[in-house]
Amino acid sequence: GAGVSQSPRYKVAKRGQDVALRCDPISGHVSLFWYQQALGQGPEFLTYFQNEAQLDKSGLPSDRFFAERPEGSVSTLKIQRTQQEDSAVYLCASSLLGQGTYEQYFGPGTRLTVT
Amino acid sequence: GQQVMQIPQYQHVQEGEDFTTYCNSSTTLSNIQWYKQRPGGHPVFLIQLVKSGEVKKQKRLTFQFGEAKKNSSLHITATQTTDVGTYFCAGVGGNKLVFGAGTILRVKS
Repeated sequence: GAGVSQSPRYKVAKRGQDVALRCDPISGHVSLFWYQQALGQGPEFLTYFQNEAQLDKSGLPSDRFFAERPEGSVSTLKIQRTQQEDSAVYLCASSLLGQGTYEQYFGPGTRLTVT
Repeated sequence: GQQVMQIPQYQHVQEGEDFTTYCNSSTTLSNIQWYKQRPGGHPVFLIQLVKSGEVKKQKRLTFQFGEAKKNSSLHITATQTTDVGTYFCAGVGGNKLVFGAGTILRVKS
């Protein structure tokens, strides 16, 4: 594909609702990352997949956050019982190999607003 | 845990002036990456530095990695309006990519 795509681009959820954010990485990219970016801040690491294996989920802020990549391609970040502090832009990135070894290609992000 | 700090937080320059942003890590980094994020956009990879004391240039941009591999800088010569955006450094230590908070660059024409 042309690049990393994410959907939806914007999501408004009422507090307590569950949301699912989708990421389509660049075809052939082994590694996939999720980040959370608050306004005026840099992206903060959430979790990392190598193919279908979730190798690092240390950045997930609570057990309400769950990510999967069942076939080693598309990934979904799910947030259960959303809270206002979950409002942020959620960025997905993919890279050819390795967490920090190669450049990461970012998607446009999903802006989540919890009301 | 590892922290990456960037200064300044914000810089507003006249077109044609130079610009520098500095990045400091609390721990030694295996490598460092720089990204640019335009207003309303997503981070775009600029460069990666790996070796101690490394200097790399991309046209008007000069990137340096400190001797101790704990700091880095990005210098833009003769800024243009197209340079507007937020510049992030991201340190690689262990298995994580840790981003700084970024420096916002505004350019007055």
